[in-house]
Amino acid sequence: DTGVSQDPRHKITKRGQNVTFRCDPISEHNRLYWYRQTLGQGPEFLTYFQNEAQLEKSRLLSDRFSAERPKGSFSTLEIQRTEQGDSAMYLCASSYSGGGETQYFGPGTRLLVL
Amino acid sequence: GENVEQHPSTLSVQEGDSAVIKCTYSDSASNYFPWYKQELGKRPQLIIDIRSNVGEKKDQRIAVTLNKTAKHFSLHITETQPEDSAVYFCAAPDDRTGTASKLTFGTGTRLQVTL
Repeated sequence: DTGVSQDPRHKITKRGQNVTFRCDPISEHNRLYWYRQTLGQGPEFLTYFQNEAQLEKSRLLSDRFSAERPKGSFSTLEIQRTEQGDSAMYLCASSYSGGGETQYFGPGTRLLVL
Repeated sequence: GENVEQHPSTLSVQEGDSAVIKCTYSDSASNYFPWYKQELGKRPQLIIDIRSNVGEKKDQRIAVTLNKTAKHFSLHITETQPEDSAVYFCAAPDDRTGTASKLTFGTGTRLQVTL
């Protein structure tokens, strides 16, 4: 499969629990992005990596959020002490910096915090 | 940072008619403008994009126009079909990062094509 994949596709958790999501980008892509999308809105940028370096973080990304891309391939996004306001679709995208910056999105992880 | 505004928020057209969605952006340094289509419960999919060195780009029934002076770009869909029904998002990069990476999205246009 040559597309961006994400796991899990759905996650239901109780407030206060920690959750972790995984994203596998298109294999030759060196850039990986995380976005959050709430109902009726466009995706909002959270953070991005070039290879293993995290180059930018949005102010939306509170200290409860952490993202890693340890080997420059897959990435994880962890949310600690989840709150009901964290309920959203978390989208991952990838691109190749030498290929015109086109970002291709994964199917997303839908998080529901009860 | 970049600010993107998108209009209209909803658009209903009859099958076979044309649809036009408009976006404005704030950062004159932006040079890449993608359009994504998102069907219910699915991922955003790139349908067309344009770079600042061209004013118009076409791909079959879809076209995008760009006016750098006015800082707006538009999506045109001709001969609409029911499968065109979806939410469409425009986007622009925050080029202050120097890498044209972070995308700022519009609020979306829900297009409904009726028979």
